[in-house]
Amino acid sequence: GAVVSQHPSRVICKSGTSVKIECRSLDFQATTMFWYRQFPKQSLMLMATSNEGSKATYEQGVEKDKFLINHASLTLSTLTVTSAHPEDSSFYICSALGELDNSPLHFGNGTRLTVT
Amino acid sequence: QQQVKQSPQSLIVQKGGISIINCAYENTAFDYFPWYQQFPGKGPALLIAIRPDVSEKKEGRFTISFNKSAKQFSLHIMDSQPGDSATYFCAASATGGFKTIFGAGTRLFVKA
Repeated sequence: GAVVSQHPSRVICKSGTSVKIECRSLDFQATTMFWYRQFPKQSLMLMATSNEGSKATYEQGVEKDKFLINHASLTLSTLTVTSAHPEDSSFYICSALGELDNSPLHFGNGTRLTVT
Repeated sequence: QQQVKQSPQSLIVQKGGISIINCAYENTAFDYFPWYQQFPGKGPALLIAIRPDVSEKKEGRFTISFNKSAKQFSLHIMDSQPGDSATYFCAASATGGFKTIFGAGTRLFVKA
């Protein structure tokens, strides 16, 4: 159980375009989802916390207008990278908090974004 | 105070040997300590986790040792196998706090 599906796994886009990444909890309801960015050989950097039905909470230094997060249902959160630039190229990972407070995080398989 | 310090940064172990990764934390409010395993190009997967009411938890070849007074915990991988070669992250979180703090990661390579 506790499967998180993330799509797409890889995406290449041109500079200036927008890309949407989906994160779905398949067999449980996730009121809270998290979006991370991971640079090569580094740890996960939390970008924002997404709560169903409310505005996302962004970490310091993360541009909310550039990384739009929508958590429209208990099983779906989306991250849209707007007006992408080559420096946005990275590995983006979502996770969902289990239904119990302080239960483990369940991660998606990540999205490799390359902006040309 | 929110940091989780992880060491070593990288580790090379012979097949059949014991891999040991250490983590330390400062925030005494942390009450959940998971370890995640990540293969290249994949998201992290929960490996094993412990709460501070026990000093050790074992699941198969994986053991967490927890020292509450020292605010340290470690992952031991017994009989390490080449398939264990991955990056391991320790983490910590607090009830009601939602945010999980991750260590910097340890890249483990098990030589055949």
